[in-house]
Amino acid sequence: QVQLVQSGAEVREPGSSVKVSCKASGGTFSSYTISWVRQAPGQGLEWMGRIIPILDIIDYAQKYQGRVTITADKSTSTAYMELGSLRCEDTAVYYCAREKSYYLDVWGKGTMVTVSS
Amino acid sequence: DIQMTQSPPTLSASVGDRVTITCRASQSISSWLAWYQQKPGKAPKLLIYKASSLESGVPSRFSGSGSGTEFTLTISSLQPDDFATYYCQQYNSYSGFTFGPGTKVDIK
Repeated sequence: QVQLVQSGAEVREPGSSVKVSCKASGGTFSSYTISWVRQAPGQGLEWMGRIIPILDIIDYAQKYQGRVTITADKSTSTAYMELGSLRCEDTAVYYCAREKSYYLDVWGKGTMVTVSS
Repeated sequence: DIQMTQSPPTLSASVGDRVTITCRASQSISSWLAWYQQKPGKAPKLLIYKASSLESGVPSRFSGSGSGTEFTLTISSLQPDDFATYYCQQYNSYSGFTFGPGTKVDIK
């Protein structure tokens, strides 16, 4: 049974960056595609990008191009999402999720990122 | 970009009711549509994929239908555990994943 365990809540000041981790267990990490989805308080779901570790392919949503970096460490089965130039509007829960045939079938529990001065 | 809309935004229903939620895409997405359920403070849960395929472990009272631009999620007999927000989602190779705005199902 695949599980995705995310890092803990973060608080950052505007202009800084945050890096969230997502560790996979119970499967073959390098064969997965891992997506990152965020949800601002009281709002809907927004896809940010994804990584296919076995192919070293990374796709970003146009909205986040240049501000987000998604990486993966195959040796530790961990994916990372780093968001820079943080603004208050980036306050959200950030989820990682495994992609299966263009759907997201396994999700992490989410990481709350608060951006505040 | 493909835009997704859902209706209604909020739906008030009683236990035992048949509930239908509609999702529309701004252009044809064939059957590449999924439905998720999300409860407060929890991650979304995949219910339906490829428009009508039930994810393993999901109760059979959930069903999906549609193709092209119009899709529906039906709960045949609403249970107390089903009060939640439901999102549709499409994928295309150009813009990635796009979610609908959500439909909140609450108690009447």
